[in-house]
Amino acid sequence: GQQLNQSPQSMFIQEGEDVSMNCTSSSIFNTWLWYKQDPGEGPVLLIALYKAGELTSNGRLTAQFGITRKDSFLNISASIPSDVGIYFCAGQQIQGAQKLVFGQGTRLTINP
Amino acid sequence: DAGITQSPRHKVTETGTPVTLRCHQTENHRYMYWYRQDPGHGLRLIHYSYGVKDTDKGEVSDGYSVSRSKTEDFLLTLESATSSQTSVYFCAITTTQGGELFFGEGSRLTVL
Repeated sequence: GQQLNQSPQSMFIQEGEDVSMNCTSSSIFNTWLWYKQDPGEGPVLLIALYKAGELTSNGRLTAQFGITRKDSFLNISASIPSDVGIYFCAGQQIQGAQKLVFGQGTRLTINP
Repeated sequence: DAGITQSPRHKVTETGTPVTLRCHQTENHRYMYWYRQDPGHGLRLIHYSYGVKDTDKGEVSDGYSVSRSKTEDFLLTLESATSSQTSVYFCAITTTQGGELFFGEGSRLTVL
C-alpha cells in the first residue's frame, strides 16, 4: 500500500525548545493533514493544508505543504508539557476519494 | 466534538471467536471509516462506507467485514478473531470533501 515516511520516529527535548518533523512520499498528494494523539484517545486534527507551498499556523504550530506536493513539515515553537504525544501526518491523493494514508507517527517527549 | 461513540472501548476475547465493534455517529455524516493502529504502522484503513449499504475495502481488509444498515451506525466484524488482530481500532467520519477525518476514542481489542 501507499506509504508516508515520517521522521523522526521519536524526539526527546527540553521544555521551551522548538520541534520540527516531516513527512515524505514518492507520490504526489493533494491534501496534507497533521494530527496529534494523546494516550488513550483518538487522533485530533491540528492543521490541514490544501495547496502546494501553503504555510498555515495554528498557535505555536506551523505546517507547510511542500512545493513538490510530496512532502510536508510541522514545526512547534517553544514546546510546553502538553505538547507531549504522538504526531501523525496524513495525505490524500485524490480529491473526493475520501481516503487518507498515514505516516508512522513521531512520538514527542518533553523533559521539564 | 464530532459526535462519534465507539463500543466496546475494551474487549478481550479468544482466538476463533467472533467480535463486532460498533461505531455510532450523531450528525448524519455520509462517510465513515474503520482504521487499526499498531506500533510502527500508524493508522491503516480497514474498510470505509460512503452511504447506507455502500462499503469498500481499505488496505488491510482481510479477516474483517463491515455493515452499514443505518446512516448512524457502522459495524466492524471479525468473523473468527486471530491474535494478529489484537490492535486499537478507530472509527472516523469526515465532514468535508477535503479529507479531514475526525476520530472516535478507539476500541482496544486483545485476542488471546
